[in-house]
Amino acid sequence: QSVLTQPPSVSGAPGQRVTISCTGSSSNVGAGFDVHWYQQHPGTAPKVLIYVNNNRPSGVPDRFSGSKSGTSASLAISGLQADDEADYYCQSYDSSLHGWVFGGGTKVTVL
Amino acid sequence: EVQLVESGGDLVQPGGSLRLSCAASGFTVSSNYMAWVRQAPGKGLEWVSTIYSGGNTDYADSVKGRFTIIRDNSRNTLYLQMNSLRGEDTAVYYCATGLSEVPWWGQGTLVTVSS
Repeated sequence: QSVLTQPPSVSGAPGQRVTISCTGSSSNVGAGFDVHWYQQHPGTAPKVLIYVNNNRPSGVPDRFSGSKSGTSASLAISGLQADDEADYYCQSYDSSLHGWVFGGGTKVTVL
Repeated sequence: EVQLVESGGDLVQPGGSLRLSCAASGFTVSSNYMAWVRQAPGKGLEWVSTIYSGGNTDYADSVKGRFTIIRDNSRNTLYLQMNSLRGEDTAVYYCATGLSEVPWWGQGTLVTVSS
């Protein structure tokens, strides 16, 4: 069981908007630690999509956006495209575990 | 350009040892925190260990006492010494860091623990 909770799957039609939630607790997200989001296609390394809650690295389209409030964070993907079909993970730091914590991952399916 | 290149993954028997390497370029490993993260086949991401710029280290409970994170400043390289390996340690191991708050990850190296 992952420390951060994500829905196992979300789906949407091309062009639609989907959101992925990431729920933590008072020792991680709720304590103010930053949340990062990763995209992972099969057989490849995770790629940073969002860092420090709502920042995009250069090269990541503005269709991807992140937010954080209280003990939760969210990743939104607008204008869904076929290549967005992948696994998505959130990550934070936990002060009780003294280490990084991840969500269990969300599989995005483009219908 | 920032690069992290892992190596050292192999097939090893249960109870055996292995040392993974992560060669860094484009930044100085001693000036940043460095971490290992693993992903078992078909599973999610799991943090393994972190070494901070000051030399302090943290470990996940699942590897504490068996794994050691080491930093060689002269080679600008991060290592993970893994002892008493178990089947559940089978995974792709990634090294990672953060530069100006942006996470950077390597491409990973596969460790298989099996007889």
